[in-house]
Amino acid sequence: EAGVTQFPSHSVIEKGQTVTLRCDPISGHDNLYWYRRVMGKEIKFLLHFVKESKQDESGMPNNRFLAERTGGTYSTLKVQPAELEDSGVYFCASSQDPNTEAFFGQGTRLTVV
Amino acid sequence: GDSVTQMEGPVTLSEEAFLTINCTYTATGYPSLFWYVQYPGEGLQLLLKATKADDKGSNKGFEATYRKETTSFHLEKGSVQVSDSAVYFCALSQQGAQKLVFGQGTRLTINP
Repeated sequence: EAGVTQFPSHSVIEKGQTVTLRCDPISGHDNLYWYRRVMGKEIKFLLHFVKESKQDESGMPNNRFLAERTGGTYSTLKVQPAELEDSGVYFCASSQDPNTEAFFGQGTRLTVV
Repeated sequence: GDSVTQMEGPVTLSEEAFLTINCTYTATGYPSLFWYVQYPGEGLQLLLKATKADDKGSNKGFEATYRKETTSFHLEKGSVQVSDSAVYFCALSQQGAQKLVFGQGTRLTINP
């Protein structure tokens, strides 16, 4: 069974540009989560999808971040325009239901220069 | 709000040494507690968990006990191996596996 897959693994962009991160959850997992770790600090929750609906987006830092999950399968996280402080590792996770283990992807390392 | 504090790393030990990574938390109610591990080049993996006070989670020789009175969930292993080198994250959740609150992570290096 394939795990959670994230693309790209690394991305380097200039300040002001747009970047789109993609997450493919484990097949059949309705719950999808985005987290990020900035500059070696703690990993912070961004948002939670149940199928295509945003269940909780309380961790989204500002309106430069847009997450979508059309069709309830893969999800994208767009940052537009990117700022220097957006640099970090973005993790995606999925779970079959909210009370079972969340499986994490390898993360996307984003560097904004 | 809820928070998790881990001992700062990096931690470097010799093979077969005893390991403790301290973790304390601040939270309302009775959260579930977790330890996640990230091996080099891999994603986060759940190492162990405990869902109520005095529960002990264990896996791969690692153990942690949910201590409500000291709000702690320290990770221990009696004899570490080189393959245990990784970054370890303590976390809590008020809602099962949802909306995890993580500590800052502790990088562990085991030398042969």
